[in-house]
Amino acid sequence: DAGVIQSPRHEVTEMGQEVTLRCKPISGHNSLFWYRQTMMRGLELLIYFNNNVPIDDSGMPEDRFSAKMPNASFSTLKIQPSEPRDSAVYFCASSLNRAGETQYFGPGTRLLVL
Amino acid sequence: QQQVKQSPQSLIVQKGGISIINCAYENTAFDYFPWYQQFPGKGPALLIAIRPDVSEKKEGRFTISFNKSAKQFSLHIMDSQPGDSATYFCAAATGANNLFFGTGTRLTVIP
Repeated sequence: DAGVIQSPRHEVTEMGQEVTLRCKPISGHNSLFWYRQTMMRGLELLIYFNNNVPIDDSGMPEDRFSAKMPNASFSTLKIQPSEPRDSAVYFCASSLNRAGETQYFGPGTRLLVL
Repeated sequence: QQQVKQSPQSLIVQKGGISIINCAYENTAFDYFPWYQQFPGKGPALLIAIRPDVSEKKEGRFTISFNKSAKQFSLHIMDSQPGDSATYFCAAATGANNLFFGTGTRLTVIP
C-alpha cells in the first residue's frame, strides 16, 4: 500500500486566498483525522471522520476552516480566507475504527500564508 | 487543556546512553497509550504502544513503563543511537476514539 497520500506537499499563498488540502487514506481504513502541527501548539487534532461522517470537529479553529469527506478514499481541508497564523504543517492520518488501532500519518502539507 | 502532559521538551543524550521521556494523564478512561516517532519533514509514525493491563512492554531497545496508579507512563530508549534523534510524542485514547497527543520531546543523540 502507498500509505496515506497528501497533496500538495508544500503550499505558499497570500493572505485572503483559499487553500485546499487533499488526503487519500489507506484503502480499507474507515477513520480519517486531520491534524495541525506548529512549534507553539504542537500536534492538534482538527477534525476526524468515521465512515465518511464527521464525528468531532471541536478542534477546527474557526469558521474559516471546513473539512469534507465525500467518499471513503478522499478528504479535503479548506481554509477560506487564509491568514498568516494558519501557517503550519497539516497532517492527515487514517486508521481502522477499532480500539487500539494505529493511526498512520501522511507526509504532511507545509502551508505558508504570506 | 492538555490531556496528556509530556516532559522534557528537549533531551540530549550521549550515544550509548539511556533516553527517558515521561508522560502523565488525568483521564482514567484512557486505555491505549502509544508512542509516536517523528523525523524532520515526515509524519509521526507509531513506535510502540501499551495497554494498562501490563506494566511494561519492550520492543528491541524501546521500552514503555506504565504506572496505572500514578497515571504515568514513560519511554526508555536503551543504547541510544544518533539515528534515534527525532521528536517523540506520547498519546492516549479511549477505545476507538481519537488520540490525545503530548507536546513532544526533541531527542538529540550525540556521537
